[in-house]
Amino acid sequence: DAKTTQPNSMESNEEEPVHLPCNHSTISGTDYIHWYRQLPSQGPEYVIHGLTSNVNNRMASLAIAEDRKSSTLILHRATLRDAAVYYCILRGGDYGQNFVFGPGTRLSVLP
Amino acid sequence: SQTIHQWPATLVQPVGSPLSLECTVEGTSNPNLYWYRQAAGRGLQLLFYSVGIGQISSEVPQNLSASRPQDRQFILSSKKLLLSDSGFYLCAWIDLGTWGRNTIYFGEGSWLTVV
Repeated sequence: DAKTTQPNSMESNEEEPVHLPCNHSTISGTDYIHWYRQLPSQGPEYVIHGLTSNVNNRMASLAIAEDRKSSTLILHRATLRDAAVYYCILRGGDYGQNFVFGPGTRLSVLP
Repeated sequence: SQTIHQWPATLVQPVGSPLSLECTVEGTSNPNLYWYRQAAGRGLQLLFYSVGIGQISSEVPQNLSASRPQDRQFILSSKKLLLSDSGFYLCAWIDLGTWGRNTIYFGEGSWLTVV
């Protein structure tokens, strides 16, 4: 039970922005929203996380809906190296010691 | 800084043979350690986690076992491998802090093919 839902796959053109959605309608007030991505033949790597406010870092931006029931990971200019599986995960006390990874969204970037 | 290593990177084992994958973490103490498995084209499945020496929690019943003989060492084992054990095995640790903010870090992964 991953508690988040994401599209199975998305496609983008190189150098265009990509918006990866995630629904988390049962999120609690103390849950953080985390995003990870997994490049081929590698373990997942941290991308970004947030609680209520939108967040930016060198990799991406995270836009969180006002009701927190959904969020969007934004890659401002997709590159071929951004082709990966992107995971949206909730983190908080209710989830104990475990990080639960759902199927994620497989992003393809076209040249 | 903290680093996590696991080995071997790849191995091909016959059915019925034993398995030992090792993971070590540097630069931190008393880490929470995890073993995940990813079958080809599939998501990540949590196998075991450990919050301290000798403390192992199993998430999925199977013919695999885990041990934590030292604070920063986590070992995944099997006495007799099955074909279904093939996959990509990942060791991970969590940087504990304020609970919702903590981040999980993965090792390089070990590709296991059971033949």
